[in-house]
Amino acid sequence: RKEVEQDPGPFNVPEGATVAFNCTYSNSASQSFFWYRQDCRKEPKLLMSVYSSGNEDGRFTAQLNRASQYISLLIRDSKLSDSATYLCVVKSSGSARQLTFGSGTQLTVLP
Amino acid sequence: NAGVMQNPRHLVRRRGQEARLRCSPMKGHSHVYWYRQLPEEGLKFMVYLQKENIIDESGMPKERFSAEFPKEGPSILRIQQVVRGDSAAYFCASSPFGGDGEAFFGQGTRLTVV
Repeated sequence: RKEVEQDPGPFNVPEGATVAFNCTYSNSASQSFFWYRQDCRKEPKLLMSVYSSGNEDGRFTAQLNRASQYISLLIRDSKLSDSATYLCVVKSSGSARQLTFGSGTQLTVLP
Repeated sequence: NAGVMQNPRHLVRRRGQEARLRCSPMKGHSHVYWYRQLPEEGLKFMVYLQKENIIDESGMPKERFSAEFPKEGPSILRIQQVVRGDSAAYFCASSPFGGDGEAFFGQGTRLTVV
């Protein structure tokens, strides 16, 4: 089983749609959680951290369920510029705090 | 406050040559991660370093690859005797002291082995 699993998609949605991405992680001791986005052939960029209480940043809402080891990202009112690959990222606890990336979910927002 | 700086942005090497990739973390960041991304694939962890210390190298191939983060200067990822399969984008990320908090990525080095 992969440490971080995501539905690869692709998700093709019309402008204005709401889209949700899911992610599961296997290490119950994982400590920190993030969503990054990666545009084609560019570096990943931090979209938002994910907190246990859930958090929102404009059109983006992230949720964490530690009991189910599940993370979600909701994008409302999709824009063309939201087209990218969305990466679920988990940081392990302890001395070896490596970031583990999911394979990413590809989103294309269509006009 | 400059972001994470990687150089070169593009590197072409012939099979058998050495490749040296450099990464200067963000100011105030003392932890560096290296990732490799093959075409059409996800990011694969290679190594996690603190200044003068390798914390986790579980993703590094056993041969030909090495990494360092000296007290002064950038972190270096070194690939000896490159082969065609080493062609990839190599991304570096840095995070603050203690390794907590978000990590920020450099623009990557695209290595092409011909």
